[in-house]
Amino acid sequence: EVQLVESGGGLVQPGGSLRLSCAASGFTFRTSWMHWVRQVPGKGPVWVSRINTDGSITTYADSVKGRFTISRDNAKNTLYLQMNSLRAEDTALYYCARVEYGIYDYWGQGTLVTVSS
Amino acid sequence: QPVLTQPPSSSASPGESARLTCTLPTDINVGDYNIYWYQQKPGSPPSYLLYYSDSDKGRGSGVPSRFSGSKDASANTGILLISGLQSEDEAVYYCMIWPSDGSHVIFGGGTKLTVL
Repeated sequence: EVQLVESGGGLVQPGGSLRLSCAASGFTFRTSWMHWVRQVPGKGPVWVSRINTDGSITTYADSVKGRFTISRDNAKNTLYLQMNSLRAEDTALYYCARVEYGIYDYWGQGTLVTVSS
Repeated sequence: QPVLTQPPSSSASPGESARLTCTLPTDINVGDYNIYWYQQKPGSPPSYLLYYSDSDKGRGSGVPSRFSGSKDASANTGILLISGLQSEDEAVYYCMIWPSDGSHVIFGGGTKLTVL
């Protein structure tokens, strides 16, 4: 059974940091491109970042560039998102998702990040 | 950064068909893109339904054939057609494209489909 389990979300003050994790199982993680997508309840999903299979290629949305860092540990089957200098507008449910042939075929259940004083 | 425009809501009765649209901005041509469609139910992440391009199409595993895609080039629009509506089809539907550089994706704002 495929599982993507996010963790690390929570309440943080503006300017603070959080590190999200996404534990993968049930598929070959090391050969999968992985993405982070966030969603404010009631709004459409918004792409945040992506990473290739060995971590040598990373891309970010302009809104998070320079503040967020995506990484992965293939030995641990885990994807990460380090989020620094958090802003109120970063408040959202953060999903990790696998992309295969342009399709988001596996999604986690999400971890909620709330940035508020 | 293109914006995909979806009507916020749509409704139809069980057994009828629903036609959900996803309009691309005028500076890009729907014919140049695969249009992907996702379904999201409350408390769950989006779930892949299908994609449609001028040369190819594909439905996700387990997605009924009641769900199909098309395009209206004259309106620069991607279309999701759901026939034989069932109560379980009540959900929010999102379209998505990969812009030409292939480095990221764009989602539409979603259409909430109500099955009356």
